[in-house]
Amino acid sequence: DQQVKQNSPSLSVQEGRISILNCDYTNSMFDYFLWYKKYPAEGPTFLISISSIKDKNEDGRFTVFLNKSAKHLSLHIVPSQPGDSAVYFCAASDGNQFYFGTGTSLTVIP
Amino acid sequence: NAGVMQNPRHLVRRRGQEARLRCSPMKGHSHVYWYRQLPEEGLKFMVYLQKENIIDESGMPKERFSAEFPKEGPSILRIQQVVRGDSAAYFCASSPNSGGAWGTDTQYFGPGTRLTVL
Repeated sequence: DQQVKQNSPSLSVQEGRISILNCDYTNSMFDYFLWYKKYPAEGPTFLISISSIKDKNEDGRFTVFLNKSAKHLSLHIVPSQPGDSAVYFCAASDGNQFYFGTGTSLTVIP
Repeated sequence: NAGVMQNPRHLVRRRGQEARLRCSPMKGHSHVYWYRQLPEEGLKFMVYLQKENIIDESGMPKERFSAEFPKEGPSILRIQQVVRGDSAAYFCASSPNSGGAWGTDTQYFGPGTRLTVL
């Protein structure tokens, strides 16, 4: 039972444009959300997080938006750069463990 | 400051053999987590350990899998009598002892061990 879903397995974006990665969850008990970035042959790297008391968190080019009523979060990268090409995982926590999505492979085209 | 280290990076085993995967957390981190990523799937939580204690093993298969984090040395994930379905990437993560609910600590991942069962 996949409690965190990333319905787009891949996304291609032109360099300089905005990348929007989406994530949906089903468990209303989730109160902390994170995005991880993963390059091939490496482990995931923490990117940005947001707690359920906020609806937006920004860090440089990366912004995470949380819509609790829709059980949806998104990661915006602007402007996108070729080095952003990676697999992005969203994760959610209910305070007991993390649940990960299946990942979205982002390709930024120079 | 070295990150989370895992070895071996690649491990090949025949069906019925044992697999031992090792994880050294980041310096100063006392919490270790193991995840498994099957092909075309996301990371699935397996077990959470602190030194000499298993805190949460709700994601561990009931048979053939065990984990430990001794007082000295790395954390070990052990898979006995491996089967083809165990082929996956196994990731270890660590976090500092922040004192909060473990589900909110940022976890730092190792590079993973890719297990192939022939």
